[in-house]
Amino acid sequence: GAGVSQSPSNKVTEKGKDVELRCDPISGHTALYWYRQRLGQGLEFLIYFQGNSAPDKSGLPSDRFSAERTGESVSTLTIQRTQQEDSAVYLCASSLSPRGFTEAFFGQGTRLTVV
Amino acid sequence: GQQLNQSPQSMFIQEGEDVSMNCTSSSIFNTWLWYKQDPGEGPVLLIALYKAGELTSNGRLTAQFGITRKDSFLNISASIPSDVGIYFCAGATNAGGTSYGKLTFGQGTILTVHP
Repeated sequence: GAGVSQSPSNKVTEKGKDVELRCDPISGHTALYWYRQRLGQGLEFLIYFQGNSAPDKSGLPSDRFSAERTGESVSTLTIQRTQQEDSAVYLCASSLSPRGFTEAFFGQGTRLTVV
Repeated sequence: GQQLNQSPQSMFIQEGEDVSMNCTSSSIFNTWLWYKQDPGEGPVLLIALYKAGELTSNGRLTAQFGITRKDSFLNISASIPSDVGIYFCAGATNAGGTSYGKLTFGQGTILTVHP
C-alpha cells in the first residue's frame, strides 16, 4: 500500500490477556518507530528499528512490552498480561533513512482498550 | 526525563483570526517539529526546524526555533475551518544514530475554529 498500515484498528481485550499489534511500513523505509498516545496526551516513544542495527528499546515501559521486526518489513508490538493502564492508541511510523524522522509517516494507529 | 510544555492546551477562535502556540523545554533540542493530528489519524508533519533562530514558513504556518534551543512557537495566520485539530510540538536531540527516532512530544493544543 501507499502508506503505513496498522492492524487491527481497534482492539478490546480483557485484563491479563496478551495482544499483538501489527505495522506494515511503507515499502523501502528502513526506519520504523512505535509510539503510544494516551487519551489527551502527546506521543510517547516506545521503540525504534533501523535496518539491521540493534533496536532502541529505551522507551518500552515494562518487560511486558516487546517488539520485533523482520528485516525492513513488518513489525509486531506485543503486550503481555495487559493492564488497564495499557489502554491507548499505539502508533507506528516509518521513514526512509535514519535521519528521516522528519520524513516519517504515521499510520492511523491501533486503539487498544483493556477492560 | 525530557519534557515539553505546550501551551495553550486549547483555543477557540473565529475563522480569519491568527493563532499562536508555543513549546518550552527544560533541556536543549537540536531539532523542533510541529505536527497536526486529525481525529482517528496519525500525526502529519507541518514544519521542521533545524537551527537555533530559524524561522520557517509553510503557507499560512510560520514556526521558529528559539535561540536558546529550549523553545519554539507556531503561528497560523487567517485561520480556516480545516485548521481544526490537535497540534503537537516535538523535539529531538540527535545525539547519535540511534536517537533519531526518539522524539519527545508536547501535550498538544486543541484548536477549534468557528466559522
